Amino acid sequence: DQQVKQNSPSLSVQEGRISILNCDYTNSMFDYFLWYKKYPAEGPTFLISISSIKDKNEDGRFTVFLNKSAKHLSLHIVPSQPGDSAVYFCAASVTSGTYKYIFGTGTRLKVLA
Amino acid sequence: EAGVTQFPSHSVIEKGQTVTLRCDPISGHDNLYWYRRVMGKEIKFLLHFVKESKQDESGMPNNRFLAERTGGTYSTLKVQPAELEDSGVYFCASSQVGARGRGYTFGSGTRLTVV
Repeated sequence: DQQVKQNSPSLSVQEGRISILNCDYTNSMFDYFLWYKKYPAEGPTFLISISSIKDKNEDGRFTVFLNKSAKHLSLHIVPSQPGDSAVYFCAASVTSGTYKYIFGTGTRLKVLA
Repeated sequence: EAGVTQFPSHSVIEKGQTVTLRCDPISGHDNLYWYRRVMGKEIKFLLHFVKESKQDESGMPNNRFLAERTGGTYSTLKVQPAELEDSGVYFCASSQVGARGRGYTFGSGTRLTVV
């Protein structure tokens, strides 16, 4: 029973174009969402987050959009750069004492030079 | 500041043996988490410590797994006896209490292979 789903295992994008990574969730109690980036042989690193009281959060080239009614969030990277090639994980949590994050299976992004 | 440190980075053991993974969180981080990623699947929660206390161990697969956090500092995760399905990458992460905005800081992980 996977509560956070990333249905695209991989995505290829040309350098300079927009990358859009998608994530769906099933638990309506989730109220905080994050994206992590992971390079091979490294741990995931925090990229951007969004609270359920917002529908958009922007940080430089990265923007996360949240559609609560559709239980869907997306990460936009504009413009995409070769260094953005990595596996991207979506994660969600419910406000509670543990701040336990539920992760998706990841999407491998390849930015072509 | 030093990051989250995990060792060993790799471990290959035979089925039935015991392995102990270690995690040193960022100094001052009371929250410590263990996660596992198996064969390209999701990063799955195992357990959460606040200082030396287990806050949530709902993700521990079975009683072959034992986690401890001595004095609220470093943590160990012991698998005894190891089975083939325990293979995967084990990540440790830490965070300050109440610091939700930037998520956790993860270590580089320990790749465990059980043969």
